[in-house]
Amino acid sequence: AQKITQTQPGMFVQEKEAVTLDCTYDTSDPSYGLFWYKQPSSGEMIFLIYQGSYDQQNATEGRYSLNFQKARKSANLVISASQLGDSAMYFCAMRGGYSSASKIIFGSGTRLSIRP
Amino acid sequence: DTAVSQTPKYLVTQMGNDKSIKCEQNLGHDTMYWYKQDSKKFLKIMFSYNNKELIINETVPNRFSPKSPDKAHLNLHINSLELGDSAVYFCASSQQNKKGQGQYFGPGTRLTVT
Repeated sequence: AQKITQTQPGMFVQEKEAVTLDCTYDTSDPSYGLFWYKQPSSGEMIFLIYQGSYDQQNATEGRYSLNFQKARKSANLVISASQLGDSAMYFCAMRGGYSSASKIIFGSGTRLSIRP
Repeated sequence: DTAVSQTPKYLVTQMGNDKSIKCEQNLGHDTMYWYKQDSKKFLKIMFSYNNKELIINETVPNRFSPKSPDKAHLNLHINSLELGDSAVYFCASSQQNKKGQGQYFGPGTRLTVT
């Protein structure tokens, strides 16, 4: 069975500092994808970054990077130079395989609060 | 231009009523989803359609019936609403087998059953 675990229900970080949001996963699929989403207080879900299980390099998108450690089954999100607008819920998610017939499961989320 | 839109944004109704939520995407994606987010922010997939065919059907009461008239639309009809149905319902879309692409979510529909 697939499982996503986010162990940090909430975090406080000073503005301009880097922050790491933890995510561990479990799957028996050899091929899978890992995602991070942001949900601000306005409620919409925003796709941030993707990492494939066979990707050799860690994914990066602007200030977001994914610290993928396959042997440890972890896919932590790193946000560099945090901004007030980064305050939101962050969800880690996983899909087994690339087919849309493989469902995506989500972690319980981490609420990130950036202090000015 | 909104990529994934849902209507209505808010829905307040009484127990026992039947209601529908509509979703449309203009991204040209071939796969659409319905998710339920509960009061603790836990997000769970309910259904998925690929090119109008149901491909994921989680353990959801049969009071919930999705319908996809074409690959750009996925509607959700709920019969005999119960208090426990109160949640935010998200529609999402993606392109099948396009590696690296996340799902694009609609703004959500907040359903309150009284």
